[in-house]
Amino acid sequence: DQQVKQNSPSLSVQEGRISILNCDYTNSMFDYFLWYKKYPAEGPTFLISISSIKDKNEDGRFTVFLNKSAKHLSLHIVPSQPGDSAVYFCAATLTGTASKLTFGTGTRLQVTL
Amino acid sequence: GAGVSQSPRYKVAKRGQDVALRCDPISGHVSLFWYQQALGQGPEFLTYFQNEAQLDKSGLPSDRFFAERPEGSVSTLKIQRTQQEDSAVYLCASSTPREGYAGYTFGSGTRLTVV
Repeated sequence: DQQVKQNSPSLSVQEGRISILNCDYTNSMFDYFLWYKKYPAEGPTFLISISSIKDKNEDGRFTVFLNKSAKHLSLHIVPSQPGDSAVYFCAATLTGTASKLTFGTGTRLQVTL
Repeated sequence: GAGVSQSPRYKVAKRGQDVALRCDPISGHVSLFWYQQALGQGPEFLTYFQNEAQLDKSGLPSDRFFAERPEGSVSTLKIQRTQQEDSAVYLCASSTPREGYAGYTFGSGTRLTVV
């Protein structure tokens, strides 16, 4: 049972435009959500996170939106840059467990010139 | 070191062979995690250590998988009698509680191929 889903395996966006990556979850107990970025042959690196008590968190070009009623979150990248080309993973957890993250299957973003 | 170091980077094992994968976490990081990433999938949790104590091993897929962290630093993930479905990238991550998930640093992983 896939508790965190990223239904778009790939996305192509022109440089300078907005990239929107989506993520859905099924477990209503999750209360903390994260986005990770992964380049080939490297481990995932933390990008941005959001607690369930918020509906938006912004860090520079990156904004994460959370819609708890829909169990949906999205990552917006504005403006998109070629260096943003990577695989993006959505992850969720229950705070206080101090342990596991549940990841989605990832979305490959390609930013074209 | 500056980051989480994993070795070997690549391992090819014959089916039935035992393998050992090593993780050197960031110095001082109390928490250590192992994840398994199959091709085309996201990382899946295997096990979690706080110092030398293994607090959660609920993700280990079978009793062929065993992890240890005897001195609270380096960790080893051992897979006995490897099978083809064990082929995956094995990721290690470490963190400190005060940094939370933002300080969750992954290594580059060990790619295991069972032939």
